[in-house]
Amino acid sequence: QSVLTQPPSASGTPGQTVSLSCSTTDTNIGSNPVNWYRQLPGTAPKLLIFSNNQRPSGVSDRFSGSKSGTSASLAISGLQSEDEADYYCSAWDDSLNGWVFGGGTKLTVL
Amino acid sequence: EVHLVQSGAEVKKPGESLRIFCKASGYTFTAYWISWVRQMPGKGLEWMGRIDPSGSSVTISPSFQSHVTMSADKSISAAYLQWSGLKASDTAIYYCVRHAEFPTYHFDYWGQGSLVTVSS
Repeated sequence: QSVLTQPPSASGTPGQTVSLSCSTTDTNIGSNPVNWYRQLPGTAPKLLIFSNNQRPSGVSDRFSGSKSGTSASLAISGLQSEDEADYYCSAWDDSLNGWVFGGGTKLTVL
Repeated sequence: EVHLVQSGAEVKKPGESLRIFCKASGYTFTAYWISWVRQMPGKGLEWMGRIDPSGSSVTISPSFQSHVTMSADKSISAAYLQWSGLKASDTAIYYCVRHAEFPTYHFDYWGQGSLVTVSS
């Protein structure tokens, strides 16, 4: 069981905006920035958002991140069929002295 | 351009040893940490540990400690993940990832993954 909680699934229709959540009850982890990774089917994960809301070069501005307290969100606007993927949040755990991931959310575009 | 190229798929028997590699290019290998991430079949991502290639200091998650070792060879810009006694439960895809610089240290580049299958 992950210390970062993500809903196992989410869905939306093309053009819609969807929001994926990531939360923790651990204030240790909750005080650290959250990063988001996207894993397209059969491929390696790729960085989507870092430090809560920063987009790496080359990532579409349809993706945005936010964080409030011990909860973070990834918003995807203008949903496209190619956005079907697994989305993982991750943060540093000071107690573990290591990184933790959420269980991942499988996004389906209907 | 940064690239992390990993070794190919492996099929091993329980109890056998294995070392997989991650070859880095396009940046100064010793300037960035490398971590390994496991993904068991149909499951999520698990951080296993990291190595600082500049001095080879290693931090391994308690979940994996005493079962894997991590090393690096600066001369060829390669990181390694090694097992001395594989179990069926080690069947997974293993990714090497590069950490961004201080202060974020997020995983900015990922290798393509190495599939390890352990079966009798």
